[in-house]
Amino acid sequence: GESVGLHLPTLSVQEGDNSIINCAYSNSASDYFIWYKQESGKGPQFIIDIRSNMDKRQGQRVTVLLNKTVKHLSLQIAATQPGDSAVYFCAERPKAAGNKLTFGGGTRVLVKP
Amino acid sequence: GAGVSQTPSNKVTEKGKYVELRCDPISGHTALYWYRQSLGQGPEFLIYFQGTGAADDSGLPNDRFFAVRPEGSVSTLKIQRTERGDSAVYLCASSLGGYFTDTQYFGPGTRLTVL
Repeated sequence: GESVGLHLPTLSVQEGDNSIINCAYSNSASDYFIWYKQESGKGPQFIIDIRSNMDKRQGQRVTVLLNKTVKHLSLQIAATQPGDSAVYFCAERPKAAGNKLTFGGGTRVLVKP
Repeated sequence: GAGVSQTPSNKVTEKGKYVELRCDPISGHTALYWYRQSLGQGPEFLIYFQGTGAADDSGLPNDRFFAVRPEGSVSTLKIQRTERGDSAVYLCASSLGGYFTDTQYFGPGTRLTVL
């Protein structure tokens, strides 16, 4: 289930289950989207990206889905592991804004053994 | 190879003091970015360098903040007359410098605390 704490929504997942993290982005002109994982005390770590001319992209254990109609991005993690516990951020790159990224508020994922 | 490095990892200073934060990008990356992250929030863009020049400094909050990258590699973020509201984690990222799918790789950040 989901709960809110420390300004971050939290997703609690049983180890081995699949996780789905959702993100609503703000700018319909954004042409590139990225998911980052951030562990406590560390910088954001790149997970997977997707361009606006795609609606799905798969990596190792992760899949990103893009729905431009409703400006929605999701990250699916298969067979969630304890090492997946972290805060996950989606980021968008508005097309007219050069290379700078705009980050969402983040979702905390807690993996229960 | 080595990732983005930032020094110091932690900096505690007093209100009104001047601080410098350093970023060493990944070798060969021509683009360098500074972001600021407050507790419980996503990173916020400050400034972006392509080579030695600041291509976009629209995120700098005021003129107390300044960044340089004189030789197109290492960058220094400078904050004058620090205020308690400047307390945050300052993140640096670098990328190859293209436009399409130009992945930004982040360093560990510098945690700045202004007392």
